[in-house]
Amino acid sequence: AQTVTQSQPEMSVQEAETVTLSCTYDTSESDYYLFWYKQPPSRQMILVIRQEAYKQQNATENRFSVNFQKAAKSFSLKISDSQLGDAAMYFCAYRSRNTDKLIFGTGTRLQVFP
Amino acid sequence: NAGVTQTPKFQVLKTGQSMTLQCAQDMNHEYMSWYRQDPGMGLRLIHYSVGAGITDQGEVPNGYNVSRSTTEDFPLRLLSAAPSQTSVYFCASGLFKPQGTGELFFGEGSRLTVL
Repeated sequence: AQTVTQSQPEMSVQEAETVTLSCTYDTSESDYYLFWYKQPPSRQMILVIRQEAYKQQNATENRFSVNFQKAAKSFSLKISDSQLGDAAMYFCAYRSRNTDKLIFGTGTRLQVFP
Repeated sequence: NAGVTQTPKFQVLKTGQSMTLQCAQDMNHEYMSWYRQDPGMGLRLIHYSVGAGITDQGEVPNGYNVSRSTTEDFPLRLLSAAPSQTSVYFCASGLFKPQGTGELFFGEGSRLTVL
């Protein structure tokens, strides 16, 4: 069975600085999706960025980028120029093309200080 | 543009009571699923469905029932609520055998408290 591990329960960053959130996963599959979701205090799940496993190029979305290391099964999220509105829980997630299920890590709470 | 709609948003139950959390989506998604979110445990999959008439268990199915009579609706039933079912529940939907973006779309969540 696939698993997703986020080893940093909490992280903090100064406004305008850069922070990296870690995620590792375990799978025997070769074709899958990886996601980072943001959950602000409103508890709405918001998609931040996605990566398809067959694409070697790392995904980027404005200030958000990932470092996807398929062989190492690592999928970290880098937030550049951090803003107060980035403060939230961040969840790493894996979705299999074969089973459709979306599996989540336990989350990292990000605090942003002015 | 409704997306995924969950009701109710808040509910308080007594132990042993039953209730149904409703979930509806208007995006013609084949895949629908229910998660529960507990502190320090992320989101855990309860049940999922890949189409009308087809359901299957996730990681934590005990105490919950689901059915999928239409593509649009995927209700979650608690037959005899227990305090251990106090949680925030999310419904999510997406395309089956994901094409394109592969993402799931989430409802706003339902906070359930069992006394």
